[in-house]
Amino acid sequence: KAGVTQTPRYLIKTRGQQVTLSCSPISGHRSVSWYQQTPGQGLQFLFEYFSETQRNKGNFPGRFSGRQFSNSRSEMNVSTLELGDSALYLCASSWDATETQYFGPGTRLLVL
Amino acid sequence: QQQVKQSPQSLIVQKGGISIINCAYENTAFDYFPWYQQFPGKGPALLIAIRPDVSEKKEGRFTISFNKSAKQFSLHIMDSQPGDSATYFCAAGSSSGSARQLTFGSGTQLTVLP
Repeated sequence: KAGVTQTPRYLIKTRGQQVTLSCSPISGHRSVSWYQQTPGQGLQFLFEYFSETQRNKGNFPGRFSGRQFSNSRSEMNVSTLELGDSALYLCASSWDATETQYFGPGTRLLVL
Repeated sequence: QQQVKQSPQSLIVQKGGISIINCAYENTAFDYFPWYQQFPGKGPALLIAIRPDVSEKKEGRFTISFNKSAKQFSLHIMDSQPGDSATYFCAAGSSSGSARQLTFGSGTQLTVLP
């Protein structure tokens, strides 16, 4: 099976812009989780989608949002970008969120 | 309640030595404990995972030890190799309730010297 894919791999944006990141899970996986990874804060949970429903959300402002499509592909959106949003955004898929999660390579976002 | 504490932050081991990374949790609802390995520029990759019904699980050179009463678990890497140099994350998850997510430790940067 193909692994989790994320696009784009790298992004440079300026403050105030918005960005959309995409994640294609492993075939058959219905749960997609998003994480933000920074050197200072480590891996922080953003949200989890299961069968097109947001089942859980981490402690991030409303500027961070996501959705999941019927084919389990997921997107996350960050509006009004801030410098502190610069991070590696990781997507993970699994049959269920608390089973084995398989991570994609991440999208490296740099906000200038 | 959701926090997972991981130590040490960094670890330097000689080739052939044993690397030990420890994690502790507080939420007794956690029932799934995976370890991930991450190389620079890559996403985390699952190494090994354990559930609380067993006290130890071994896969090759990697062993998880689990102490349910102490709410602690650890990763042992036997015969450590330079190729093991990476960042290791422990995590914990619960299959009950609404908190269906993995909570990660802060990571341990392992360096194995040749």
